Amino acid sequence: GAGVSQSPSNKVTEKGKDVELRCDPISGHTALYWYRQSLGQGLEFLIYFQGNSAPDKSGLPSDRFSAERTGGSVSTLTIQRTQQEDSAVYLCASSFLGVGNNSPLHFGNGTRLTVT
Amino acid sequence: TQLLEQSPQFLSIQEGENLTVYCNSSSVFSSLQWYRQEPGEGPVLLVTVVTGGEVKKLKRLTFQFGDARKDSSLHITAAQPGDTGLYLCAGVSNNDMRFGAGTRLTVKP
Repeated sequence: GAGVSQSPSNKVTEKGKDVELRCDPISGHTALYWYRQSLGQGLEFLIYFQGNSAPDKSGLPSDRFSAERTGGSVSTLTIQRTQQEDSAVYLCASSFLGVGNNSPLHFGNGTRLTVT
Repeated sequence: TQLLEQSPQFLSIQEGENLTVYCNSSSVFSSLQWYRQEPGEGPVLLVTVVTGGEVKKLKRLTFQFGDARKDSSLHITAAQPGDTGLYLCAGVSNNDMRFGAGTRLTVKP
């Protein structure tokens, strides 16, 4: 498919374990975004990549969260020492240009993370 | 702190009714986007409004961007069950896009 792909679709982990979430953006899209959506809530901005660099990391909730993007394509979001409050749907989106150019975001279906 | 306030938070109506949902902010945006999200899926873009006072129509949906580019509204005429979903507005400034908490719409047949 030509859309944004996220894996795994569901992840259940024990408190204290590390998790890695993966996002495959649409080919050719230069910008990539991570958002978090808690039950009944809107989208909380986490981090934005333009190419491989992340000019805006302001949304990462704590130093347990990190993200990288390699080759201007795949991105991974890593959460260390997971806590129950980390339980949420993690959404990835990509756009052809940065949002300042009014490029629409194309979202994946998300990874539902449950920390027990 | 939510930069964008959406109202109402929940809305349940009968098929055929009209409705308006609102997206308000104290910040000025270069553009504003509306998305619809269905359960288990990511949000899908409906429209982008750029110019203050702009009105865009998408079949039964009418989007308006406020003159000061701080707020927006979405009006749906003759709502159908297929319109059910979470409607999210997103404000764009520089290279920053922030979302509101959404309006969860249910249209009953």
